[in-house]
Amino acid sequence: DGGITQSPKYLFRKEGQNVTLSCEQNLNHDAMYWYRQDPGQGLRLIYYSQIVNDFQKGDIAEGYSVSREKKESFPLTVTSAQKNPTAFYLCASRRDSGNQPQHFGDGTRLSIL
Amino acid sequence: KQEVTQIPAALSVPEGENLVLNCSFTDSAIYNLQWFRQDPGKGLTSLLLIQSSQREQTSGRLNASLDKSSGRSTLYIAASQPGDSATYLCAVNEDSGNTPLVFGKGTRLSVIA
Repeated sequence: DGGITQSPKYLFRKEGQNVTLSCEQNLNHDAMYWYRQDPGQGLRLIYYSQIVNDFQKGDIAEGYSVSREKKESFPLTVTSAQKNPTAFYLCASRRDSGNQPQHFGDGTRLSIL
Repeated sequence: KQEVTQIPAALSVPEGENLVLNCSFTDSAIYNLQWFRQDPGKGLTSLLLIQSSQREQTSGRLNASLDKSSGRSTLYIAASQPGDSATYLCAVNEDSGNTPLVFGKGTRLSVIA
């Protein structure tokens, strides 16, 4: 079945540690997105990539980094500079032609130890 | 800057009732609008996508309408069931490319048996 796989489902970070969240899609979608979801705040865009080897900052990129070396993969690193990383992280993808729905993974919940 | 608003933030209805969820957006120059469902601790599932040239889309007990000129969309759920309990989000796509969707904060629906 085609879809988006996020791993791990739960992740714990120690102070000063960088952690990487995985996002893989087998939908052959061009664009991929990372969102952060906090209670009562809705979805906030962290980074997005419309093509391999290119990505753009979203609304809350500080303390995060990404790479897009392959079309199927868009990992997100939460760096130690992100002082409040506890949240639910969602990865999404979409085909590069107008009227196509956006698909989401099942999310990774990150907590501070 | 496009803003998407969903009112109310939460709604509780008895089973069997027909209900309407509202979504409004500030800039009517949209390419399409998408409705999503999110269950607790899960990713978003696409329900319906309405193109800017369309007035409505239907899927089973769900009907979504779009009035671009007034900046409004509604999601109608017929004969609601406890399994419909979830958060419903709408998002607008402002162009035919892969610029990020603009999301509302969602309406949390509870259907009481």
